[in-house]
Amino acid sequence: SQQGEEDPQALSIQEGENATMNCSYKTSINNLQWYRQNSGRGLVHLILIRSNEREKHSGRLRVTLDTSKKSSSLLITASRAADTASYFCATATTQGGSEKLVFGKGTKLTVNP
Amino acid sequence: DAGVIQSPRHEVTEMGQEVTLRCKPISGHNSLFWYRQTMMRGLELLIYFNNNVPIDDSGMPEDRFSAKMPNASFSTLKIQPSEPRDSAVYFCASTPPGTRQETQYFGPGTRLLVL
Repeated sequence: SQQGEEDPQALSIQEGENATMNCSYKTSINNLQWYRQNSGRGLVHLILIRSNEREKHSGRLRVTLDTSKKSSSLLITASRAADTASYFCATATTQGGSEKLVFGKGTKLTVNP
Repeated sequence: DAGVIQSPRHEVTEMGQEVTLRCKPISGHNSLFWYRQTMMRGLELLIYFNNNVPIDDSGMPEDRFSAKMPNASFSTLKIQPSEPRDSAVYFCASTPPGTRQETQYFGPGTRLLVL
Protein backbone atom coordinates (compact mmCIF):
# COMPACT_ATOMS: atom_id res chain seq x y z
CA SER A 1 0.00 0.00 0.00
CA GLN A 2 1.18 3.52 -0.73
CA GLN A 3 2.51 5.36 2.31
CA GLY A 4 3.43 8.75 0.87
CA GLU A 5 1.08 10.62 -1.42
CA GLU A 6 2.38 13.68 -3.26
CA ASP A 7 0.30 16.67 -4.12
CA PRO A 8 -0.12 18.03 -6.74
CA GLN A 9 0.35 15.26 -9.28
CA ALA A 10 1.62 17.79 -11.80
CA LEU A 11 2.88 21.36 -11.51
CA SER A 12 3.85 23.79 -14.26
CA ILE A 13 5.61 27.07 -13.45
CA GLN A 14 7.79 29.71 -15.06
CA GLU A 15 11.52 29.87 -14.57
CA GLY A 16 12.38 31.95 -11.52
CA GLU A 17 9.20 31.07 -9.64
CA ASN A 18 9.13 28.89 -6.54
CA ALA A 19 7.75 25.35 -6.67
CA THR A 20 6.09 23.72 -3.67
CA MET A 21 5.25 20.03 -3.51
CA ASN A 22 3.54 18.30 -0.62
CA CYS A 23 3.64 14.78 0.74
CA SER A 24 1.22 13.20 3.18
CA TYR A 25 1.69 9.86 4.88
CA LYS A 26 -0.26 7.58 7.18
CA THR A 27 1.95 5.92 9.81
CA SER A 28 4.78 7.06 12.04
CA ILE A 29 8.10 7.40 10.29
CA ASN A 30 11.81 7.21 11.07
CA ASN A 31 12.69 9.71 8.36
CA LEU A 32 11.34 11.19 5.15
CA GLN A 33 13.33 11.65 1.98
CA TRP A 34 12.83 13.46 -1.31
CA TYR A 35 14.15 12.13 -4.60
CA ARG A 36 14.23 13.52 -8.13
CA GLN A 37 13.81 11.51 -11.31
CA ASN A 38 14.62 12.94 -14.70
CA SER A 39 12.81 11.37 -17.64
CA GLY A 40 14.20 7.94 -18.44
CA ARG A 41 16.66 7.96 -15.56
CA GLY A 42 16.96 6.52 -12.06
CA LEU A 43 16.02 8.35 -8.88
CA VAL A 44 18.51 10.69 -7.27
CA HIS A 45 18.44 11.43 -3.55
CA LEU A 46 17.93 15.12 -2.73
CA ILE A 47 17.46 15.50 1.00
CA LEU A 48 16.55 13.54 4.15
CA ILE A 49 14.73 14.90 7.17
CA ARG A 50 14.50 12.90 10.38
CA SER A 51 11.34 12.51 12.42
CA ASN A 52 12.67 14.83 15.14
CA GLU A 53 13.53 17.61 12.69
CA ARG A 54 11.12 20.27 11.47
CA GLU A 55 13.00 22.00 8.67
CA LYS A 56 16.06 21.41 6.56
CA HIS A 57 17.79 23.34 3.79
CA SER A 58 20.09 22.30 0.97
CA GLY A 59 20.95 24.94 -1.60
CA ARG A 60 17.69 26.02 -3.24
CA LEU A 61 15.77 23.22 -1.52
CA ARG A 62 13.81 23.63 1.70
CA VAL A 63 12.02 20.72 3.31
CA THR A 64 9.60 20.91 6.21
CA LEU A 65 8.14 18.09 8.25
CA ASP A 66 5.04 18.24 10.42
CA THR A 67 4.68 14.91 12.21
CA SER A 68 1.44 15.97 13.90
CA LYS A 69 -0.15 16.42 10.48
CA LYS A 70 1.87 13.59 8.93
CA SER A 71 2.95 15.83 6.09
CA SER A 72 6.05 17.26 4.45
CA SER A 73 6.68 19.89 1.84
CA LEU A 74 9.51 20.44 -0.61
CA LEU A 75 10.15 23.99 -1.76
CA ILE A 76 12.41 24.71 -4.71
CA THR A 77 13.24 28.40 -4.87
CA ALA A 78 14.16 30.36 -8.00
CA SER A 79 13.36 27.40 -10.23
CA ARG A 80 15.31 26.67 -13.39
CA ALA A 81 14.40 24.75 -16.54
CA ALA A 82 16.84 22.08 -15.37
CA ASP A 83 14.61 21.43 -12.34
CA THR A 84 12.05 19.86 -14.68
CA ALA A 85 11.64 16.32 -13.35
CA SER A 86 9.41 14.13 -11.20
CA TYR A 87 9.83 14.49 -7.45
CA PHE A 88 9.08 11.65 -5.03
CA CYS A 89 8.80 11.54 -1.29
CA ALA A 90 9.82 8.34 0.47
CA THR A 91 8.97 7.45 4.04
CA ALA A 92 11.19 5.20 6.11
CA THR A 93 9.17 3.08 8.50
CA THR A 94 9.58 0.01 10.64
CA GLN A 95 6.75 -2.48 10.05
CA GLY A 96 6.66 -5.85 11.73
CA GLY A 97 10.34 -5.63 12.52
CA SER A 98 11.20 -4.92 8.90
CA GLU A 99 12.55 -1.55 7.82
CA LYS A 100 10.96 -0.24 4.67
CA LEU A 101 11.34 2.79 2.44
CA VAL A 102 8.05 3.43 0.66
CA PHE A 103 7.79 5.84 -2.25
CA GLY A 104 4.85 7.96 -3.32
CA LYS A 105 3.73 8.30 -6.92
CA GLY A 106 5.45 11.61 -7.43
CA THR A 107 4.83 15.16 -8.57
CA LYS A 108 5.74 15.96 -12.16
CA LEU A 109 7.28 19.44 -12.23
CA THR A 110 7.67 21.38 -15.47
CA VAL A 111 9.66 24.61 -15.38
CA ASN A 112 9.08 26.67 -18.50
CA PRO A 113 11.94 28.88 -19.70
CA ASP B 1 33.32 5.99 -8.87
CA ALA B 2 30.89 3.96 -10.92
CA GLY B 3 27.33 4.07 -9.74
CA VAL B 4 24.89 1.19 -9.68
CA ILE B 5 25.10 -0.65 -12.97
CA GLN B 6 22.13 -2.39 -14.53
CA SER B 7 21.87 -4.48 -17.66
CA PRO B 8 20.33 -4.65 -20.08
CA ARG B 9 18.99 -1.09 -20.31
CA HIS B 10 16.15 -2.17 -22.57
CA GLU B 11 14.58 -5.58 -23.07
CA VAL B 12 11.81 -6.57 -25.45
CA THR B 13 10.57 -10.13 -25.22
CA GLU B 14 7.57 -12.24 -25.99
CA MET B 15 5.13 -13.56 -23.47
CA GLY B 16 6.29 -16.84 -21.96
CA GLN B 17 9.99 -16.14 -22.34
CA GLU B 18 12.43 -16.00 -19.45
CA VAL B 19 13.85 -12.59 -18.61
CA THR B 20 16.94 -11.98 -16.49
CA LEU B 21 17.82 -8.53 -15.21
CA ARG B 22 21.23 -7.84 -13.73
CA CYS B 23 22.58 -5.41 -11.18
CA LYS B 24 26.00 -4.51 -9.87
CA PRO B 25 25.75 -2.39 -6.69
CA ILE B 26 28.24 0.28 -5.72
CA SER B 27 31.39 -1.27 -4.31
CA GLY B 28 31.26 -1.41 -0.51
CA HIS B 29 27.48 -1.17 -0.32
CA ASN B 30 25.91 -4.10 1.51
CA SER B 31 22.18 -3.59 0.95
CA LEU B 32 20.57 -4.06 -2.46
CA PHE B 33 17.02 -3.32 -3.48
CA TRP B 34 14.94 -4.26 -6.53
CA TYR B 35 12.05 -1.95 -7.47
CA ARG B 36 9.46 -1.95 -10.22
CA GLN B 37 8.00 1.31 -11.57
CA THR B 38 4.76 1.60 -13.54
CA MET B 39 2.44 4.50 -14.19
CA MET B 40 -0.41 2.78 -12.40
CA ARG B 41 1.37 1.59 -9.25
CA GLY B 42 4.35 3.92 -9.00
CA LEU B 43 7.59 2.62 -7.52
CA GLU B 44 7.18 -0.69 -5.68
CA LEU B 45 9.81 -2.51 -3.64
CA LEU B 46 10.07 -6.11 -4.81
CA ILE B 47 12.84 -7.48 -2.60
CA TYR B 48 15.87 -6.37 -0.69
CA PHE B 49 19.07 -8.08 0.36
CA ASN B 50 21.41 -7.32 3.23
CA ASN B 51 24.88 -8.86 3.10
CA ASN B 52 23.69 -11.03 0.17
CA VAL B 53 20.80 -12.49 2.19
CA PRO B 54 17.18 -11.82 1.14
CA ILE B 55 15.55 -9.95 4.03
CA ASP B 56 12.12 -8.99 2.72
CA ASP B 57 10.59 -10.45 -0.43
CA SER B 58 7.01 -9.60 0.41
CA GLY B 59 6.82 -7.34 -2.62
CA MET B 60 7.61 -10.09 -5.12
CA PRO B 61 4.38 -10.39 -7.09
CA GLU B 62 4.25 -14.14 -7.55
CA ASP B 63 6.28 -17.28 -8.04
CA ARG B 64 7.22 -16.25 -11.55
CA PHE B 65 9.62 -13.75 -9.99
CA SER B 66 12.85 -14.79 -8.30
CA ALA B 67 15.94 -12.90 -7.19
CA LYS B 68 19.41 -13.97 -6.19
CA MET B 69 22.52 -12.33 -4.87
CA PRO B 70 25.36 -14.85 -5.14
CA ASN B 71 27.98 -12.33 -4.01
CA ALA B 72 28.34 -8.74 -2.85
CA SER B 73 28.82 -7.39 -6.36
CA PHE B 74 26.06 -9.05 -8.34
CA SER B 75 22.33 -9.66 -8.23
CA THR B 76 19.77 -10.97 -10.68
CA LEU B 77 16.02 -10.65 -10.97
CA LYS B 78 14.43 -13.35 -13.07
CA ILE B 79 10.92 -13.54 -14.48
CA GLN B 80 9.86 -16.93 -15.81
CA PRO B 81 7.53 -17.07 -17.67
CA SER B 82 7.11 -13.40 -18.49
CA GLU B 83 3.67 -11.83 -19.07
CA PRO B 84 2.62 -8.52 -20.68
CA ARG B 85 1.65 -7.13 -17.25
CA ASP B 86 5.30 -7.43 -16.21
CA SER B 87 6.13 -4.57 -18.59
CA ALA B 88 7.69 -1.86 -16.44
CA VAL B 89 10.97 -0.19 -15.56
CA TYR B 90 12.94 -2.23 -13.04
CA PHE B 91 15.39 -0.40 -10.81
CA CYS B 92 18.16 -1.66 -8.62
CA ALA B 93 19.42 0.46 -5.72
CA SER B 94 22.09 0.02 -3.08
CA THR B 95 23.06 1.57 0.25
CA PRO B 96 26.25 1.62 2.34
CA PRO B 97 26.48 -0.33 5.60
CA GLY B 98 24.32 1.00 8.42
CA THR B 99 22.21 3.24 6.17
CA ARG B 100 19.58 0.88 4.85
CA GLN B 101 16.78 3.34 5.38
CA GLU B 102 18.71 6.36 4.27
CA THR B 103 20.12 7.52 0.96
CA GLN B 104 19.52 4.93 -1.72
CA TYR B 105 21.63 5.03 -4.87
CA PHE B 106 19.63 4.02 -7.91
CA GLY B 107 20.78 2.49 -11.15
CA PRO B 108 19.52 3.75 -14.52
CA GLY B 109 16.87 1.02 -14.72
CA THR B 110 15.93 -1.68 -17.19
CA ARG B 111 12.92 -0.90 -19.36
CA LEU B 112 11.12 -4.20 -19.97
CA LEU B 113 8.45 -4.68 -22.60
CA VAL B 114 6.70 -8.04 -22.78
CA LEU B 115 4.67 -8.48 -25.96
